Amino acid sequence: DGGITQSPKYLFRKEGQNVTLSCEQNLNHDAMYWYRQDPGQGLRLIYYSQIVNDFQKGDIAEGYSVSREKKESFPLTVTSAQKNPTAFYLCASKRGGGATQPQHFGDGTRLSIL
Amino acid sequence: AQSVTQLDSHVSVSEGTPVLLRCNYSSSYSPSLFWYVQHPNKGLQLLLKYTSAATLVKGINGFEAEFKKSETSFHLTKPSAHMSDAAEYFCVVSDEWDTGRRALTFGSGTRLQVQP
Repeated sequence: DGGITQSPKYLFRKEGQNVTLSCEQNLNHDAMYWYRQDPGQGLRLIYYSQIVNDFQKGDIAEGYSVSREKKESFPLTVTSAQKNPTAFYLCASKRGGGATQPQHFGDGTRLSIL
Repeated sequence: AQSVTQLDSHVSVSEGTPVLLRCNYSSSYSPSLFWYVQHPNKGLQLLLKYTSAATLVKGINGFEAEFKKSETSFHLTKPSAHMSDAAEYFCVVSDEWDTGRRALTFGSGTRLQVQP
């Protein structure tokens, strides 16, 4: 079955450490997205990419970095500059840039501070 | 600019009774609208979408929503709640003319509880 795989499911970060969250899709989708979800809030956009080797900042990009070297993969690095990284991180993809296409989501990675 | 307001943060119903989750939107142009459901520690699953075709949209698991342009609403309903419907529901708007950076705007979510 096609879908989006996020790993790991749970991740712990020490102070001053960078961590990388993996997101892989086999849906052949062009666009990929990273969101952050905090309790009682909707999703906030961190970064998005519409094609390989191109990505754009979302609303809360500070302290995060991404790469898009392959169509299937869109890893997110949470750097030490992100002072409040504890959250649920969701990766999504969709077929194209058109606004009528729905996004498909992975099952998320929960990041906590040690 | 587009925005979404989910009017209730929590809704509690009894099993077998109707469900109504309310959503109002604001969009400069002709929007696409979606409802997603999220179970604990899971990603979001698409329930249904409106993209300027029929105003009454049927989705999965017996859910449906009606697009009312005059009221700028897109409320989600189900005739009879099941215990498995207990989850968080998100109303989402996508501006037809604004792809990319702000292609999706999420509401803050409504937590549905279903009492036995």
